[in-house]
Order: sequence, then structure tokens, then C-alpha cells
Amino acid sequence: GEDVEQSLFLSVREGDSSVINCTYTDSSSTYLYWYKQEPGAGLQLLTYIFSNMDMKQDQRLTVLLNKKDKHLSLRIADTQTGDSAIYFCAANDYKLSFGAGTTVTVRA
Amino acid sequence: EAQVTQNPRYLITVTGKKLTVTCSQNMNHEYMSWYRQDPGLGLRQIYYSMNVEVTDKGDVPEGYKVSRKEKRNFPLILESPSPNQTSLYFCASSLGGGGTGELFFGEGSRLTVL
Repeated sequence: GEDVEQSLFLSVREGDSSVINCTYTDSSSTYLYWYKQEPGAGLQLLTYIFSNMDMKQDQRLTVLLNKKDKHLSLRIADTQTGDSAIYFCAANDYKLSFGAGTTVTVRA
Repeated sequence: EAQVTQNPRYLITVTGKKLTVTCSQNMNHEYMSWYRQDPGLGLRQIYYSMNVEVTDKGDVPEGYKVSRKEKRNFPLILESPSPNQTSLYFCASSLGGGGTGELFFGEGSRLTVL
């Protein structure tokens, strides 16, 4: 199966931008996803990008995809305390594979 | 309201005592899956089901069983739980296969095996 890797922790000041990085191994992945897990809850789809796109923007979220390097990033502009959560990168080959999750802590 | 419901949400049990975690979805999804979440390891797939009576092993199936007799239900069975099965478990469903489309997750079931 696919290997998906991401850093485990990120601390960011409120109002700054957050950038969460992810790498994957299977170049045939068609879709790449970002899921968000708030404390005590299940995962929810935050955004996704097709593999034929380089960038996708959705309000405060920007997803960048570098297919050559198999690198995906999620940028959150103007980070708020409500953005504190675990963010999972996921990629599909024949099934969805998740990274270990990046815990984002927003400090005042 | 579209949702995936798991029960129980919290459970403490002892080694060897059989238990079942139920999962039900009301979205008429064909695909359902069980994951376990452990610190530093992220989500690992235990079993999945592409449709009624069709189940298959995920990445970490040892010690678990599943069944899919009805489209909406996908219970996870631990026949003889052991402490290394202490974890946070999630059920998820999607309209299509597991590789595409949005996965909808339950709120999780935290299991402790003593």
C-alpha cells in the first residue's frame, strides 16, 4: 500500500499562517485529501485535490500539490483557535491510506 | 441527519471477554470500514466491506472479525480481546469504494482492555 508521511506537531500563533506538509509514495494516486479531527470527534473531510491540479483554494485553505516530488501541503491563513486539531493527509491508490496526523496547536 | 453511529463510545473490559462494537450508517453507503487510531501511527485500516456479504482484510486484521449482513450495519467483533487492542476505533462509510469519495466517520469508540 501507499506510504503517507507527515510531521507530528505544529505550533502556530493566532493570526499567523499554518503550513502542514505531507509526502506520499504512489504517483498514481488520483485524489489527495485533508481530513480534520477535532478533540473527541471523528475525522471530517476538510478539502481535497485532484492529481491533475497544482493548487486549490477554498476560503482560508490553500492546497498545493507537487506531483513530481509527491508533496502535498495545506496552508491555513489567519489561523484561529478553532483550527486547533489533528490534520490527516490521505492518498488513494486502490484504497485510502492516511498519514499519522499533524497536531496543530494555536497559541494566543 | 446523515451520520455514522458507533456504540459503545467508551468501554473498559478484561482480557479474553468477547465484545462487539456496533456501527450503523443511514446514508445507504456501499462501502464501510473500520480503523484504529494509535498515537504516532495515525489511522490503520482493520477491515473493510465493499457491499453486503463482501468483506476484506485491511492492514491490521489480526484479532478482529467483522460481518456485513445488512447494508447499514458493520459490527466489529473482538473474540478474545488483549491489551494491545486498547485503542480508539473508528467506523467510516462512503458511497463508492474506499479509494475515492468522501469518507464519513463515526465519533469513535475508545476501548481499554485490562
